[in-house]
Amino acid sequence: AQSVTQPDIHITVSEGASLELRCNYSYGATPYLFWYVQSPGQGLQLLLKYFSGDTLVQGIKGFEAEFKRSQSSFNLRKPSVHWSDAAEYFCAVATYSSASKIIFGSGTRLSIRP
Amino acid sequence: GAVVSQHPSWVICKSGTSVKIECRSLDFQATTMFWYRQFPKQSLMLMATSNEGSKATYEQGVEKDKFLINHASLTLSTLTVTSAHPEDSSFYICSARGQGEETQYFGPGTRLLVL
Repeated sequence: AQSVTQPDIHITVSEGASLELRCNYSYGATPYLFWYVQSPGQGLQLLLKYFSGDTLVQGIKGFEAEFKRSQSSFNLRKPSVHWSDAAEYFCAVATYSSASKIIFGSGTRLSIRP
Repeated sequence: GAVVSQHPSWVICKSGTSVKIECRSLDFQATTMFWYRQFPKQSLMLMATSNEGSKATYEQGVEKDKFLINHASLTLSTLTVTSAHPEDSSFYICSARGQGEETQYFGPGTRLLVL
């Protein structure tokens, strides 16, 4: 069965520091991968997605993610975080059977230290 | 583009009453809509998938008679929580996807509190 693992429940980084959020997936075929961000009490906003092609994907708000098939990973990175980046981040994998469901990881809460 | 709205954004109701939540795709036709439930500090759990004009497909463990889903048009899906109880209190989020699209676009969520 497909699954997504985000090993870090909570990460705190200083403003201006670099960020990497980890995501590992389990899926038999080439997955469709997503990163979403959720601010408190809000819905989800798509940061970026990978379907095929270049394994380094650029997203909104200065985020990028790299698909590494050999490691079954899709880690999210940002070179310099801003206080407004504090939120919950979800990695997700899409299963493209007829159901076309997205399976979410458990999320990583990002806090920013002033 | 690809904006999804939900109404209401929050609702408080008495135990035993029914509550309807609307999900609308504002600038695209949503052939498929999804309903999720999110408990505090947890991830999203898919409740059901609905295709326009068809019956919804419910995930295992989700009571279809309790959570009624209607997807009558390409821009509107509704979730009705029937005979709500306090344990139904949660954050309900919908998403929508257009024909041939791979990406789901999410609504802002509806917070339900059942007293």
